[in-house]
Amino acid sequence: AQSVTQLDSHVSVSEGTPVLLRCNYSSSYSPSLFWYVQHPNKGLQLLLKYTSAATLVKGINGFEAEFKKSETSFHLTKPSAHMSDAAEYFCVVTLNRDDKIIFGKGTRLHILP
Amino acid sequence: KAGVTQTPRYLIKTRGQQVTLSCSPISGHRSVSWYQQTPGQGLQFLFEYFSETQRNKGNFPGRFSGRQFSNSRSEMNVSTLELGDSALYLCASSPPGTGASSYNEQFFGPGTRLTVL
Repeated sequence: AQSVTQLDSHVSVSEGTPVLLRCNYSSSYSPSLFWYVQHPNKGLQLLLKYTSAATLVKGINGFEAEFKKSETSFHLTKPSAHMSDAAEYFCVVTLNRDDKIIFGKGTRLHILP
Repeated sequence: KAGVTQTPRYLIKTRGQQVTLSCSPISGHRSVSWYQQTPGQGLQFLFEYFSETQRNKGNFPGRFSGRQFSNSRSEMNVSTLELGDSALYLCASSPPGTGASSYNEQFFGPGTRLTVL
């Protein structure tokens, strides 16, 4: 069965320190992978996506993610956290074979002053 | 360009009633998807419409239905509401492109928060 697991439901970092949000997926087929961010009372916004081109993907607001097929991971990183990064982040897998769209449970990122 | 709009933003209903939610995609987008977001289950895919046809469907009971009009606007209907249907319902549209919309970026609306009493 296909699935996506966000390993942490909450992550807290201090402003100015690195951010790491972890995502692992399980798929028998070539996936497309996305990270979305949801600020309070807002819809989701795409941060970045991987669709079998470069394994290191750069997104908006300084975020990037690396696709590691051997580890079935697509972790999201940012070198230096900003207060405005406080939000919920979703890792999303879409399976090219059958168009199923699977969201992770989300990771809430807290930024400490 | 205006973003995805959803109406109403908030809705309170009682058990057994039915509800219709509306979504207007970004101009030029022909694919519209609906999602249910709850604290317990997270984000779950309901269905996707493209050119007035349902192209993909999640694992929800038949009480959840939708349709799309020729102008790409979409409605979602839930009949015989249950307490567990209380959720944020998100609509997303995708730009034209090759392949299924699931490969493309989705643009989300702010959602309709449905409370069932």
